[in-house]
Amino acid sequence: AQSVTQLGSHVSVSEGALVLLRCNYSSSVPPYLFWYVQYPNQGLQLLLKYTSAATLVKGINGFEAEFKKSETSFHLTKPSAHMSDAAEYFCAVSPSFYGGSQGNLIFGKGTKLSVKP
Amino acid sequence: DAGITQSPRHKVTETGTPVTLRCHQTENHRYMYWYRQDPGHGLRLIHYSYGVKDTDKGEVSDGYSVSRSKTEDFLLTLESATSSQTSVYFCATAVGEVSYEQYFGPGTRLTVT
Repeated sequence: AQSVTQLGSHVSVSEGALVLLRCNYSSSVPPYLFWYVQYPNQGLQLLLKYTSAATLVKGINGFEAEFKKSETSFHLTKPSAHMSDAAEYFCAVSPSFYGGSQGNLIFGKGTKLSVKP
Repeated sequence: DAGITQSPRHKVTETGTPVTLRCHQTENHRYMYWYRQDPGHGLRLIHYSYGVKDTDKGEVSDGYSVSRSKTEDFLLTLESATSSQTSVYFCATAVGEVSYEQYFGPGTRLTVT
């Protein structure tokens, strides 16, 4: 069964500092991996996705993530935090549709990012 | 923006009453999903649909039912609401085999008193 672990329910960084949000997954088949962002009182917005192409994936708003199979990780990074990055971030895993999953996503519990001025 | 709307956006109801939440999409996506979001739990799948009249259970389906009579509409029904069903409910859609990402609606905040 697939699962996702996000290390740290809250992360606080200073404006301009590196953002690193950690995600580890388990999957019995080659996974598809996603990062979503949720701003207060809004739905989830896709930041980036890994679907077995390049292992370094670039997303919106300057975020990127690297798929490391040996570490079963898909950590999200941004070189310089901005106040507008304050939000909750969710990592999600899905086996391919060919695995019969109907595309279901398994979400981590989320990491709330705070950015200090 | 995948053209997903949810109604109502907010609802307060009493224990034991039936409640129906509606998800409407304009993108003709084949797959639709209902999640609930609770603090400390992330998002958990309630039910999903892989076509008109084709639905299946997710991780936390007890106490919920769904229906999909048209491609664009996916209804979630709480037959007899309980306080444990107080939550924020999100609808999502996916194209399917071509594209794996899901697109989310704005959510419905349900309070059961």
